[in-house]
Amino acid sequence: DIVMTQSPDSLAVSLGERATINCKSSQSVFSSSHNKNYLAWYQQKPGQPPKLLIYWASTREFGVPDRFSGSGSGTEFTLTISSLQAEDVAVYYCQQHYSTLITFGQGTRLEYK
Amino acid sequence: QVQLVQSGAEVKRPGASVKVSCKASGYTFPTYGLSWVRQAPGQGLEWMGWISAYNNNTKYAQKLQGRVTMTTDTATSTGYMELRSLRSDDTAVYYCARDGAVYTGSYSVWGQGTLVTVSS
Repeated sequence: DIVMTQSPDSLAVSLGERATINCKSSQSVFSSSHNKNYLAWYQQKPGQPPKLLIYWASTREFGVPDRFSGSGSGTEFTLTISSLQAEDVAVYYCQQHYSTLITFGQGTRLEYK
Repeated sequence: QVQLVQSGAEVKRPGASVKVSCKASGYTFPTYGLSWVRQAPGQGLEWMGWISAYNNNTKYAQKLQGRVTMTTDTATSTGYMELRSLRSDDTAVYYCARDGAVYTGSYSVWGQGTLVTVSS
């Protein structure tokens, strides 16, 4: 299985400041035949299912605020929130679907100071 | 609108089985698949498996092979996940999510979750 490792496990950022979450895969999730990274990011708030934020590593899902962005390729990826809002407090997960055996990162808990 | 509505919470004894349903609406069910993801209390997301509603192909997580079965009923646009020989560490919220019909992908549509509690 492809192992997804996120860092840090938890993060506290001041409102209005930038938050950065990293995700590393144990093998590349880039498909050269499709020229795509099979990597998605989700936000989960307590008592709710996860919400898709980013797919193909950098494409924002419809309706997701543009303060959320994804970058990276191959084995290293980043989710950036450019200006943290109070409603962004949540746990964030990366997910690979390069392999048909899907795996998620362990999650990063984001809070504000 | 596109939505997935899951069955209600269950309490089961160790060794029993549970079958969770996931009813789809707002889209053409056989042109997609379903993945099932579970989340133990206070823990992260664990992918359990995928089924194509197009051709009933399945993929299961290795640790659940032999205990899990996923099926679909295209007449009612409903997917099912059955987990057998339940143990206490199967206690979790179980989610269905809309997936691809041929390949697994990312999940833009999720069910609301079904809490399964395994306790003697």
